[in-house]
Amino acid sequence: QSVLTQPPSVSEAPGQRVTISCSGRTSNIGNNAVNWYQQFPGKAPKLLMYYDDLRSAGVSDRFSGSKSAASASLAISGLQSEDEADYYCAAWDDDLWSWVFGGGTKLTVL
Amino acid sequence: EVQLAESGGGLVQPGGSLRLSCVVSGFSFDTFYMSWVRQAPGKGLECVANIKQDGSDKSYVDSVRGRFTISRDNSKNSLYLQMNSLRDEDTAVYYCARGGGPAAGKDFDYWGQGTLVTVSS
Repeated sequence: QSVLTQPPSVSEAPGQRVTISCSGRTSNIGNNAVNWYQQFPGKAPKLLMYYDDLRSAGVSDRFSGSKSAASASLAISGLQSEDEADYYCAAWDDDLWSWVFGGGTKLTVL
Repeated sequence: EVQLAESGGGLVQPGGSLRLSCVVSGFSFDTFYMSWVRQAPGKGLECVANIKQDGSDKSYVDSVRGRFTISRDNSKNSLYLQMNSLRDEDTAVYYCARGGGPAAGKDFDYWGQGTLVTVSS
């Protein structure tokens, strides 16, 4: 059971827009920045977004992040087949005194 | 170019020990928190331990506290994870990652390729 809650899977057609949610609590998302990671099968995760809505170097502007209270979202517009991957949110948790992750969301581009 | 390279994984029996190493290059190792993040087969990510730049502060997830020890040698640009009393549920790919300090921001911006630890009899 992950501390941050993400939908296990989302799917959408190429060219469309999809949103992945990440729900937490005050002690993590509410008080601290949210990061998003992209992971392809058999590969290490890659930092996609940090400080809620900043794109890591080289990341397409089709990716955007947002946060409100204790929830965050990753939006991907103009979906491409190469976006098929697992996506994880993460944030520091003041109570656990540790970084916590969501369970991950598998994105399928139909 | 920033690089992190883990080693030391393998097959170990329950109750056994392993020591993972991570050698880094391409950045000033002694200016960053460092962490070990693991991923069990088919599961999500879990930060199991982190360590402050000078090694003076360390933290662990509850499930490994008392069994795992994180350490670093800044003179060798190296991060370590000593794992004792290993359990089946410790089976995972272990990644070293840059960052992981308290309430920071651009954390886990670089990762190693991972090393597989399998705990099985």
